[in-house]
Amino acid sequence: DSGVTQTPKHLITATGQRVTLRCSPRSGDLSVYWYQQSLDQGLQFLIQYYNGEERAKGNILERFSAQQFPDLHSELNLSSLELGDSALYFCASSGSTGFHGYTFGSGTRLTVV
Amino acid sequence: AQKITQTQPGMFVQEKEAVTLDCTYDTSDPSYGLFWYKQPSSGEMIFLIYQGSYDQQNATEGRYSLNFQKARKSANLVISASQLGDSAMYFCATLPFGDTGNQFYFGTGTSLTVIP
Repeated sequence: DSGVTQTPKHLITATGQRVTLRCSPRSGDLSVYWYQQSLDQGLQFLIQYYNGEERAKGNILERFSAQQFPDLHSELNLSSLELGDSALYFCASSGSTGFHGYTFGSGTRLTVV
Repeated sequence: AQKITQTQPGMFVQEKEAVTLDCTYDTSDPSYGLFWYKQPSSGEMIFLIYQGSYDQQNATEGRYSLNFQKARKSANLVISASQLGDSAMYFCATLPFGDTGNQFYFGTGTSLTVIP
């Protein structure tokens, strides 16, 4: 167990729908990152939150949004889903000191049908 | 932005042998970290090893070592005494150390298969 919890583990939904992916960071970590891993794009950074505020933005579509709540958990909202949004979505968290990298959750596998 | 290149899409190694997975990167950041992650078929990303750009010595973690050649912008992963459980995808990544966020840049990965 990495300490980063992602739910659900698997999600199957239809095109045009909206889903919410949830992430609880490792205890004490203030930063949360979201990544998308797809067959054609590889691992792509989507967005980072630090202590409730957006810190950095990557290749995140306008149909996607995220937020980090006061208890530091984060949610990634994906709307108007398309077949191409099918991917493994990772959340990761990091602390302010110590190890410079960060710890990944086990991912949410989204399948859009 | 940074570009990470892993030129070996697939590798095979005999059990108990050593294997080197290649990684080169292109960055203009003065300070950065280099990482290797393992992704087994179950999907999770498992941290293996870290090297800081200013570290003088190559990093080692158990059977994993990182052959860091800064001038060549190369950070190859060496796995010694391969085990069947090492069969997985391996990703090289860089992490610039700056003030505007800390996003990883990943390579496309190398699929390693350990043969009994």
